[in-house]
Amino acid sequence: QKEVEQNSGPLSVPEGAIASLNCTYSDRGSQSFFWYRQYSGKSPELIMFIYSNGDKEDGRFTAQLNKASQYVSLLIRDSQPSDSATYLCAVRISDKLIFGTGTRLQVFP
Amino acid sequence: GAVVSQHPSWVICKSGTSVKIECRSLDFQATTMFWYRQFPKQSLMLMATSNEGSKATYEQGVEKDKFLINHASLTLSTLTVTSAHPEDSSFYICSASPFGAGGRFLTEQYFGPGTRLTVT
Repeated sequence: QKEVEQNSGPLSVPEGAIASLNCTYSDRGSQSFFWYRQYSGKSPELIMFIYSNGDKEDGRFTAQLNKASQYVSLLIRDSQPSDSATYLCAVRISDKLIFGTGTRLQVFP
Repeated sequence: GAVVSQHPSWVICKSGTSVKIECRSLDFQATTMFWYRQFPKQSLMLMATSNEGSKATYEQGVEKDKFLINHASLTLSTLTVTSAHPEDSSFYICSASPFGAGGRFLTEQYFGPGTRLTVT
């Protein structure tokens, strides 16, 4: 079982819709959880991180964490074509980040 | 602020040669630097973590004699791929943090733009 799992996608949503990206992790000792956006050929950019159960909102982005279910998600409201990218979930285990393979999001006009 | 640069942005080298990639923090002192590798359509894999003036800590499966990491100053780390082979072709990304282990060094981690290495 992979430590961090994501559906590779692509997830296609129309402009203005809510995109929902999901991630599961295997290590119950995971301490904090990160969402990165990566455009093709570029390095990752941090969107947000979360370490407590529940929701954390930042602008159009909401991260949701459920440690009991070992599940973290990212909601993107009012999706824009510029949001089209690969979204990487990463989990902190000890002093390093373990990344998932990413979900490709396509937002069409 | 918090800018990390990498040089070169892309490099092509012949099999058997060595190539050096530089990672610089431009406006902060990088206590910790990380080197990642990413193959096409795969996740970022941590190769090693380094602290200024100390030997790098390599992840399991990463050959320390093949991937030489030097974190000689608080603004510069280098990765040298020795005796490169086509299977080393990948996207190499460094990141840097002003913090050390146990603190905010993962939440305050700034990525460089990456270096695409092609070995022919």
